[in-house]
Amino acid sequence: SQTIHQWPATLVQPVGSPLSLECTVEGTSNPNLYWYRQAAGRGLQLLFYSVGIGQISSEVPQNLSASRPQDRQFILSSKKLLLSDSGFYLCAWMEAGRQETQYFGPGTRLLVL
Amino acid sequence: QKEVEQDPGPLSVPEGAIVSLNCTYSNSAFQYFMWYRQYSRKGPELLMYTYSSGNKEDGRFTAQVDKSSKYISLFIRDSQPSDSATYLCAMSRVTGRRALTFGSGTRLQVQP
Repeated sequence: SQTIHQWPATLVQPVGSPLSLECTVEGTSNPNLYWYRQAAGRGLQLLFYSVGIGQISSEVPQNLSASRPQDRQFILSSKKLLLSDSGFYLCAWMEAGRQETQYFGPGTRLLVL
Repeated sequence: QKEVEQDPGPLSVPEGAIVSLNCTYSNSAFQYFMWYRQYSRKGPELLMYTYSSGNKEDGRFTAQVDKSSKYISLFIRDSQPSDSATYLCAMSRVTGRRALTFGSGTRLQVQP
């Protein structure tokens, strides 16, 4: 069966510091991968998605970037964090060619101070 | 106007009640309709999905899609305190952009 991991689970970072969040998926090949941000009490904002290694689509221009160095690894990065980057970051995967079954990881809670 | 609208709630019901959660949408290209449940501080969990119009039942949960009205519903029968969570609707096209469009979620509280 498929499993999706995210780490770290929680992170407290000062403004201006760099960021690296990692997501890995097990049990599937060539998945579509997604990064979302969820502000407190708000819906999901799609940040990036990837349909293959090195292929990144950006949904919202901002202080963040994403990379997919391996088939089942998705990384969210920032060179300098802003206060507004605080939130709950969720990674998700979907089987290539499917449009209806997207599965989420446990999330990373980021607090920028 | 957002592509998907969902009442944020909170919706408070007594245990055993029938719960109705709803979303409206504007994009007629959406063909897949999903419902997710999200407990506090956890990732969303896929409850069920439907394709095009019609009903789908899974235990105490029934998903309903009315494409003519651009309206989808999730019914929960015999609601339990463990159903207390935020419920997110999501939808997608058959082709094109490989991503889902989410509603903002409805917070449900089932009182024991």
